[in-house]
Amino acid sequence: EIVLTQSPGTLSLSPGEGATLSCRASHSITTQLAWYQQKPGQAPRLLIFGATNRATGIPHRFSGSGSGTDFTLTISRLESEDFAVYYCQYYGSSPPFGGGTKVEIK
Amino acid sequence: QVLLVQSGAEVKKPGASLRVSCEASGYSFTGYYIHWVRQTPGQGLEWMGWINPNSGDTTYAQLFQGRITMTRDTSISTAYMGLSGLRSDDTAVYYCAKRAVADAVPIFDHWGQGTLVTVSS
Repeated sequence: EIVLTQSPGTLSLSPGEGATLSCRASHSITTQLAWYQQKPGQAPRLLIFGATNRATGIPHRFSGSGSGTDFTLTISRLESEDFAVYYCQYYGSSPPFGGGTKVEIK
Repeated sequence: QVLLVQSGAEVKKPGASLRVSCEASGYSFTGYYIHWVRQTPGQGLEWMGWINPNSGDTTYAQLFQGRITMTRDTSISTAYMGLSGLRSDDTAVYYCAKRAVADAVPIFDHWGQGTLVTVSS
C-alpha cells in the first residue's frame, strides 16, 4: 500500500512570493502522481498529472517535478486566488491522496 | 461543457443506507468511467471506486467492499453510489468525478459539486 506524506502542513506566504510543496511516497510510484487545488466549499481541481504535466487551463506559474518517491509542486509567484489547500494523489491501484498542504496568506 | 450534478445533502441514522446520484451532461455518458471520492474530516480524500457506464463493470476500494454498490442508468445519464451500514465516520462530502480521457485511470479532470452526508443518531 502506497502512503503519501505532504509537507509542510501549512505554508504562510505573501502574494508574489514563491511556494514549494512536497509530497513523498512510501514506495516508488515512478511519475504516477497528480496534484489538486481545493478551495473552501469547492471540489478539488486538477493541476498536474504525470508529475510534471499541467492540466488544461492551468497557469504556467504552477509546475510539478520529481519521480520515484519525491515530488514537488512549485507556484512561482502566488496570486490571491492561489491561497488554498493542495493535495497530491498517486493514481495507481486504490489511489491514495496525501494529507494536504494549506497555503495561507501571511 | 462537462457537468456532473449530484443529489442534495442527506442526514442518515447509523445503520441506514445511502444512495447518491450523479447526473452527467455535456459529453457521452457511456464513454467515460465515473469514480467516487469522499472527503472526511478525519481521513481526508478517499477514493471509493469506479463504474464503467457502458458495461456496468465496477471496481471498489477494499475499504468499502461488502457495503458499497455503484450502478448507472444510461437512459438518464446518471450514476449512483450506494453505501450501507452507515456509521458516524461515514460522515463526509461525497464526490463523483471523471477523467477527460476514456480510461479507468483515476485522474479527475471533472468533479461533481459534492453531496454532504451526515450520519448521526
